[in-house]
Amino acid sequence: SYELTQPLSVSVALGQTASITCGGNNIGSKNVHWYQQKPGQAPVLVIYRDSNRPSGIPERFSGSNSGNTATLTISRAQAGDEADYYCQVWDSSSWVFGGGTKLTVL
Amino acid sequence: EVQLVESGGGLVKPGGSLRLSCAASGFTFSIYSMDWVRQAPGKGLEWVSFISSSSSYIYYADSVKGRFSISRDNAKNSLYLQMNSLRAEDTAVYYCARDISPGAPRGDNWFDPWGQGTLVTVSS
Repeated sequence: SYELTQPLSVSVALGQTASITCGGNNIGSKNVHWYQQKPGQAPVLVIYRDSNRPSGIPERFSGSNSGNTATLTISRAQAGDEADYYCQVWDSSSWVFGGGTKLTVL
Repeated sequence: EVQLVESGGGLVKPGGSLRLSCAASGFTFSIYSMDWVRQAPGKGLEWVSFISSSSSYIYYADSVKGRFSISRDNAKNSLYLQMNSLRAEDTAVYYCARDISPGAPRGDNWFDPWGQGTLVTVSS
């Protein structure tokens, strides 16, 4: 089965840029979606199809996907960006989520 | 406003059954596929099942195949998950999510929005 690998945690200083990676075999050939989940809340879509932002998501959120790594980038990080982030792909009749990355804003 | 509201969660003994419901409002339910996703306490997201808009395509995660059954009633704007032979490892918050694709998923579809979830606890 297809596996997506994310770092358990990422830390970023307030106002700086955070990068959260999602590794998978030839993931660059797939569409990757990203979700943000704050404690006690449901997940929220922040990036779809590698690099597209839904309405209402700040421009500070961006995504890229190439080779074996997809990346979610959060620029000018704010305290409100602290959350768990999950990547997602479709593979072999199954949706697959990465294990999630906890973003801490220092 | 697009809204998804899950219900039906609760405490059930191992081997028991439970039926979850997801009530949709604020959009044309019948033209969207839907998914169930679960999250065990303190763990990550795990996809459970998919159903296309007309119920023509249905998929399950291997972990629930043969035990869970997804269905929908477009006339009632409702999605269901029948869970049988429940195990302790099925304990989780269960979310329903709107899938942007009307038909079979191809990967270029995504989940938006998600409901707030309903907790299922399997314990003796």
